[in-house]
Amino acid sequence: NAGVTQTPKFRILKIGQSMTLQCAQDMNHNYMYWYRQDPGMGLKLIYYSVGAGITDKGEVPNGYNVSRSTTEDFPLRLELAAPSQTSVYFCASSSSKQGAAGYTFGSGTRLTVV
Amino acid sequence: GQSLEQPSEVTAVEGAIVQINCTYQTSGFYGLSWYQQHDGGAPTFLSYNGLDGLEETGRFSSFLSRSDSYGYLLLQELQMKDSASYFCAVNAGKSTFGDGTTLTVKP
Repeated sequence: NAGVTQTPKFRILKIGQSMTLQCAQDMNHNYMYWYRQDPGMGLKLIYYSVGAGITDKGEVPNGYNVSRSTTEDFPLRLELAAPSQTSVYFCASSSSKQGAAGYTFGSGTRLTVV
Repeated sequence: GQSLEQPSEVTAVEGAIVQINCTYQTSGFYGLSWYQQHDGGAPTFLSYNGLDGLEETGRFSSFLSRSDSYGYLLLQELQMKDSASYFCAVNAGKSTFGDGTTLTVKP
């Protein structure tokens, strides 16, 4: 199984540009999440989804948007990139709301905004 | 909301047992999980302790006291490859992560 696949792995954006970070999972998980991780810090939740067509804001949603049209895909859209969005972005999925089975994370997208 | 506290650094020697503590504040609670992250890598799930029971992986075990809002991860028979960052995460429908503990294993 591929698990959770994120693309691209690296990206450099100029201030004001936009981009979409792709995330796909092949485990038929209903629950999907986007986190960002700044250097030396923990993961901050940006958006999450409990199933196709349902999304909700996390702790740090400003400057981002998401959609969930299928169970497999959960893309994250950055509009008008700012230097504060320089970070590593991780997508994750889970089979349970309670987290007992743990989250499966993708390998991350390293984004630099200059 | 949720908040978690864990030590920023822990050092131990190969073959020893080490405990990484985590205290949390949360307005709802399903469980406390632990993840390992090597430099530049994705977090990987180690353990869950909560309302759905207990999940543990290999040499990693965990303890939870809901009344004290406290838990810890126990790593036995430490190996050099265990040098990594360890994160506790409290789940209340979605997971909030602590800032991580950097474990250094010395020979």
